Amino acid sequence: DAGVIQSPRHEVTEMGQEVTLRCKLISGHNSLFWYRQTMMRGLELLIYFNNNVPIDDSGMPEDRFSAKMPNASFSTLKIQPSEPRDSAVYFCASSLVGWDRGPEDYGYTFGSGTRLTVV
Amino acid sequence: AQSVTQLGSHVSVSEGALVLLRCNYSSSVPPYLFWYVQYPNQGLQLLLKYTSAATLVKGINGFEAEFKKSETSFHLTKPSAHMSDAAEYFCAVKGGSEKLVFGKGMKLTVNP
Repeated sequence: DAGVIQSPRHEVTEMGQEVTLRCKLISGHNSLFWYRQTMMRGLELLIYFNNNVPIDDSGMPEDRFSAKMPNASFSTLKIQPSEPRDSAVYFCASSLVGWDRGPEDYGYTFGSGTRLTVV
Repeated sequence: AQSVTQLGSHVSVSEGALVLLRCNYSSSVPPYLFWYVQYPNQGLQLLLKYTSAATLVKGINGFEAEFKKSETSFHLTKPSAHMSDAAEYFCAVKGGSEKLVFGKGMKLTVNP
């Protein structure tokens, strides 16, 4: 398995532009988590999906941020318009969640992240 | 609500010395606990996890952690540090929901 795949690895954009980050889940996983990592705030959960349905988006900073899961294996995180304070590393992670999972299924598998710089 | 506390942000050890990274948790329900490692410019990699089975958990790269309910702790240890252990280490807790709540992280430096 190729693991969780994120693209792009690096993104530099100008303030006000739209940014789209992409994530491909591990085959067989049914939950997807978007995290943001900054020096000041550490790792923050933005949103998570289970079976393509957003379960908790309480961490989404504001209306400029939106996330979708158009199918079971793919998700996007969009920022429109982007601002310099959005500069961070954005991680997605996938997991198997369900009544039939075993102890080995607990814990997330993270992608390598997208480093976003808004200038 | 669940939370973890990793006191301090940086620890430095000599190669071959004991590594001890502390983590204390708070949870309103029996927790599941995790340690992740992050190497520079990479994502987080699961080191080990406690899921209510054995209280002493062994992970990859020679690390282990012990769940102590009375102390609400889940400290990470390794008997002998190696240069390749230099990284940032995160403790995380999962409570009643699927959310993992992470600590602030601890940067480990290993001196030759």
